[in-house]
Order: sequence, then structure tokens, then C-alpha cells
Amino acid sequence: GAVVSQHPSWVICKSGTSVKIECRSLDFQATTMFWYRQFPKQSLMLMATSNEGSKATYEQGVEKDKFLINHASLTLSTLTVTSAHPEDSSFYICSARDRRGNQETQYFGPGTRLLVL
Amino acid sequence: ELKVEQNPLFLSMQEEKNYTIYCNYSTTSDRLYWYRQDPGKSLESLFVLLSNGAVKQEGRLMASLDTKARLSTLHITAAVHDLSATYFCAVDFKAAGNKLTFGGGTRVLVKP
Repeated sequence: GAVVSQHPSWVICKSGTSVKIECRSLDFQATTMFWYRQFPKQSLMLMATSNEGSKATYEQGVEKDKFLINHASLTLSTLTVTSAHPEDSSFYICSARDRRGNQETQYFGPGTRLLVL
Repeated sequence: ELKVEQNPLFLSMQEEKNYTIYCNYSTTSDRLYWYRQDPGKSLESLFVLLSNGAVKQEGRLMASLDTKARLSTLHITAAVHDLSATYFCAVDFKAAGNKLTFGGGTRVLVKP
């Protein structure tokens, strides 16, 4: 099946620093990728839709200047958490839409756990 | 408003018994997904349901879709311990530009 990777898998940083998370589709091209965050024991919340070659579309309430998204190629999207604060600590998960064949589906990356001290 | 509601939120299961998780959604959908999440891990795709009456089965799990009732069910047959996880349904709403909207999740604990 399709594989989506994320790097790093976990990161600890100091408050005020920026953190970049990479999301790659390993065996298919993804014109659209999605970024989610998940707090403990809660569901996934969509943050933004990342479109290759154009600006990301952010969900209501998500600060685009704080969560910078760049979809540089058909296999790579990055999420940069700028000036991170403890309340940004969360589990960040990306997904990529695989449109090959007749059954489109979304595959999820393994997630990145961010802890801001 | 685009809404996906799962119930129950928590399910304590006994081994070898059968259980059902329900997923209701608010408006027309292109497709519905079921995912499994183990603690500390990301999501594993279980099923994609595309049309009314669709039924898919894998091992002890069976998912079905009734688009008229806007309801999907995930049925667990003869539960075993390794099915303990959180199960999410997610709906691909046309009105949302085909973005997934997740249900709140059902935490399943299978006790011996």
C-alpha cells in the first residue's frame, strides 16, 4: 500500500523557536496533502490543506502566519510551527491523497509529536 | 453544518462477544472511511465505503454504509484483545471540498 512518511517523529524545543515537520509520499504523487493536529484523547482536527504549487488553505481559527505550509513538490509538504509556545504541543499528522486507480483514499503519516518547553 | 458523530465514545468489550460502533453524518457524502489508531500511533486505514449498501469485511471487522440514513456501522465479531484501539470514522463531504471530517472516535478496550 501507499506510504506516507513524516520527519521528525518527535521533537522537543524551547518556547520561541521554530520547528519544521516534513511529510513525504513515498510511492505516489500527491497534489494535495493535509495537516492535522490531535490533542490527547481527542479526534483529529484539520488545520490546513496543502496544494502543490499554490498557497495552502487554512481552516477557520488556524493562524496561517504561525503554521506555515509549503508544498514544494508532488511528494513533499512541510509544516513550520513558528515561535512555538507550550500550547502548540500536540501530535501533528499529515495525510496525502492517493488518486491512483479507481479507489481514491487518504494515507496518513506516522505523526510527529511536538513538545514545547 | 458538516458533522460526524460516533457512538459510543467508549466501548468495553468482552472477548468472543459482538459489538457495533455507529457513525452518523449530517449531509451528502462521497465516501466514508474507517480508521484504527493505536496509542501513540497514527491512523491505519481499515475500510473505504463508496456507495449505498456497501459492505466490506476484513477478519473480525465488517463495515457497512447506508447513505439514505447517513449511517455507517463498524461491526466487531467475537472480539479479541488485539482489537483494542481507538476507531475513527471520517467522511469526505463534497460540500467541504472533499476534506475529511472526523468523528470523535470510539475507544475500544477488549477485556479477557
